[in-house]
Amino acid sequence: GAVVSQHPSWVICKSGTSVKIECRSLDFQATTMFWYRQFPKQSLMLMATSNEGSKATYEQGVEKDKFLINHASLTLSTLTVTSAHPEDSSFYICSARGNDEQYFGPGTRLTVT
Amino acid sequence: DAKTTQPPSMDCAEGRAANLPCNHSTISGNEYVYWYRQIHSQGPQYIIHGLKNNETNEMASLIITEDRKSSTLILPHATLRDTAVYYCIVRAADPGGSEKLVFGKGTKLTVNP
Repeated sequence: GAVVSQHPSWVICKSGTSVKIECRSLDFQATTMFWYRQFPKQSLMLMATSNEGSKATYEQGVEKDKFLINHASLTLSTLTVTSAHPEDSSFYICSARGNDEQYFGPGTRLTVT
Repeated sequence: DAKTTQPPSMDCAEGRAANLPCNHSTISGNEYVYWYRQIHSQGPQYIIHGLKNNETNEMASLIITEDRKSSTLILPHATLRDTAVYYCIVRAADPGGSEKLVFGKGTKLTVNP
């Protein structure tokens, strides 16, 4: 199946700093990418949908100024968590739509201290 | 909100078939049934999907009732590595690629030796 990578796989940062997470589709072009967040023992929650070259569409309750999404090319989307706080600690998972299917990355574990 | 209902947990003996049910009584005519699974601390993995006919691939079989209000995912010979949370999701076909996958709580399948 198609491969989606994320970098970094885990990151620890201090409160108030910003963290960027990259999502790449390695062997296909993804016109649409999705960002999810998952807290411990909970299901995945969709944060936003991004289309290449246009602004992301955020789900209700997700702060667009805090979670900046850039989808500059057909193989790369980035999520920047700005001014991170401990409550932003979570597992962030990206997904890319290609070949009529949706493929998920391995996730990024963010811990804010 | 998720449009599916699944039991929160199930157990299965190694080597036996695992049958995971899903109710989707409000499914629309253009919505597919998708199954994904998530092994601990990893991104979701695509398993199978179908519209109204039964489907089979190298991982599993999908049985959809004639009225399409429920389905069953069958892992024919479960192994310990099949221990995961299994998500049943309904989603409309979308050639534009922006249709969202909304995750419910899933079924935690534990395969016992």
